[in-house]
Amino acid sequence: GAVVSQHPSWVICKSGTSVKIECRSLDFQATTMFWYRQFPKQSLMLMATSNEGSKATYEQGVEKDKFLINHASLTLSTLTVTSAHPEDSSFYICSSLAGVYNEQFFGPGTRLTVL
Amino acid sequence: GNSVTQMEGPVTLSEEAFLTINCTYTATGYPSLFWYVQYPGEGLQLLLKATKADDKGSNKGFEATYRKETTSFHLEKGSVQVSDSAVYFCALRAQAAGNKLTFGGGTRVLVKP
Repeated sequence: GAVVSQHPSWVICKSGTSVKIECRSLDFQATTMFWYRQFPKQSLMLMATSNEGSKATYEQGVEKDKFLINHASLTLSTLTVTSAHPEDSSFYICSSLAGVYNEQFFGPGTRLTVL
Repeated sequence: GNSVTQMEGPVTLSEEAFLTINCTYTATGYPSLFWYVQYPGEGLQLLLKATKADDKGSNKGFEATYRKETTSFHLEKGSVQVSDSAVYFCALRAQAAGNKLTFGGGTRVLVKP
């Protein structure tokens, strides 16, 4: 199966700072990537769909100016949490759509803690 | 809209016990159905899937059958191991929703030796 990596795996930052999370598809090209947020002991909530070369499509209730998504290449999408606050602390997971398999492959997740 | 409902956990079992996690769905058309597993501190891994009615997905001793008449996709394993302790998510992907996955709430399974 396809491999998706995320970096960093965990990050601690101060309130008010910005944090960038990278999602890479290592052995395939992904025209579409997805960003999810997972609160402790809860399910995944889709935040946005990222298409290479175009603007991301955000789900209802997700602030696009706060969660900036860039999908500049077929193997890399980034999520930047701007002006982070403690309530942004969460587990962020990306997935890449592998066309050849017609399914999503998930990254290992990034745990963000905002102090 | 599309939705997935799965039994709430936690489910606590002894090793070698039989595991069933119920999952039912609501969707338009004919969705594909998935079970994902999440081990502590990790992302999701696809466990098995089924793309049409009566299909049976299987992997690592786990099985689930796509039942259109009952709109269900229950996960079963005949003899669990401690290493099966994880959170299990049922999900669907409907054609009308593009490639978006809709997840159930997750079921935490704890297998004790």
